[in-house]
Amino acid sequence: SQQGEEDPQALSIQEGENATMNCSYKTSINNLQWYRQNSGRGLVHLILIRSNEREKHSGRLRVTLDTSKKSSSLLITASRAADTASYFCATDAGAGSYQLTFGKGTKLSVIP
Amino acid sequence: DAGVTQSPTHLIKTRGQHVTLRCSPISGHKSVSWYQQVLGQGPQFIFQYYEKEERGRGNFPDRFSARQFPNYSSELNVNALLLGDSALYLCASRQGNTGELFFGEGSRLTVL
Repeated sequence: SQQGEEDPQALSIQEGENATMNCSYKTSINNLQWYRQNSGRGLVHLILIRSNEREKHSGRLRVTLDTSKKSSSLLITASRAADTASYFCATDAGAGSYQLTFGKGTKLSVIP
Repeated sequence: DAGVTQSPTHLIKTRGQHVTLRCSPISGHKSVSWYQQVLGQGPQFIFQYYEKEERGRGNFPDRFSARQFPNYSSELNVNALLLGDSALYLCASRQGNTGELFFGEGSRLTVL
């Protein structure tokens, strides 16, 4: 079953604009991760934020985590056509749970 | 360094047949996980193996089985294939039991 729910399901923006994707989850987590997937290919890890962190940056990516609201957001600044992909959040419950639970993803289209 | 490699990349089977998918993790990674991704959905956890032992199993029927070999490579077996088993099967590895996953490009299974 999917724990996370990304919002929106699809997002279309112009190159140079910022893209924001949101993720909500249901149970306690050890960490939350964001992945990117180009059409039909494998997933690529983007960033991991631990449950005791509130914000993390990596290049043009900024991730926030609000454990009280069980939500996270991924911001991509100054988007490029090459950012076109599907983006998934995944939760790691820790405490002996070895799986990541993925959401359904946000499909981002960046128009040149 | 080689990433996670999976074989075959594409295969077509008919209902009732069985399939074996193979995965080689990144050198030094002892944990291998398998995920099923149906078109338009996020990956769903099937199995995790660490140090050749099953450490987690998702909500999949007994037709799905897996194993990990002494060299840490892994096989996923699916018996009595159903149309609904058509999906992208993703293998991922990591050094320990937590942290980011490194995914292969997947095996695209079509069941006719």
